[in-house]
Amino acid sequence: GAGVSQSPSNKVTEKGKDVELRCDPISGHTALYWYRQSLGQGLEFLIYFQGNSAPDKSGLPSDRFSAERTGGSVSTLTIQRTQQEDSAVYLCASSLGVVRGLGETQYFGPGTRLLVL
Amino acid sequence: DQQVKQNSPSLSVQEGRISILNCDYTNSMFDYFLWYKKYPAEGPTFLISISSIKDKNEDGRFTVFLNKSAKHLSLHIVPSQPGDSAVYFCAAIGSSGTYKYIFGTGTRLKVLA
Repeated sequence: GAGVSQSPSNKVTEKGKDVELRCDPISGHTALYWYRQSLGQGLEFLIYFQGNSAPDKSGLPSDRFSAERTGGSVSTLTIQRTQQEDSAVYLCASSLGVVRGLGETQYFGPGTRLLVL
Repeated sequence: DQQVKQNSPSLSVQEGRISILNCDYTNSMFDYFLWYKKYPAEGPTFLISISSIKDKNEDGRFTVFLNKSAKHLSLHIVPSQPGDSAVYFCAAIGSSGTYKYIFGTGTRLKVLA
């Protein structure tokens, strides 16, 4: 389909290992967002990309978290030295990104469920 | 500091009746609000939105009301259907040009057949 895709859908890892989560946005969408949803919590903003640049990294919880986007398309979210509190569903969304500040509709992927043992 | 709050974690409604989901916000700079619906194991999907220049927006069975003075919005679903059972998130964004959407914690709606 033409929606946002994320991989892997599920990831179980051991504490201290690094993980890499991937997001493929809708073709032509210049804005891309990462969120996470911990158990019983709402969606927590992590980072936003406009093209390949990230003007807002304010939501990244620690320096163990990083994200990049290449070619204005695929994005990867990397968590280094994972901790048990990193366990959550990581959601990616994309939007057209041309109507600044007017609340464009975001289209979400199905998420990656990360479990850190 | 939770800028967008959904104080009811869950709601049960009989099929055919009205479902009312509430959302409160604290930041007066928010000027665009959205509702998303989320089924288990899926990402949220956009449902309906409203700009702060309006107080009501309607789309089929879904209506969103905005009370700016009270910093409150609500989503009405009439009539409710079993397929509406999902978690509903409200989200807000400000007019400063930021793309930082602030989401509430969600309300789980269960429509009973």
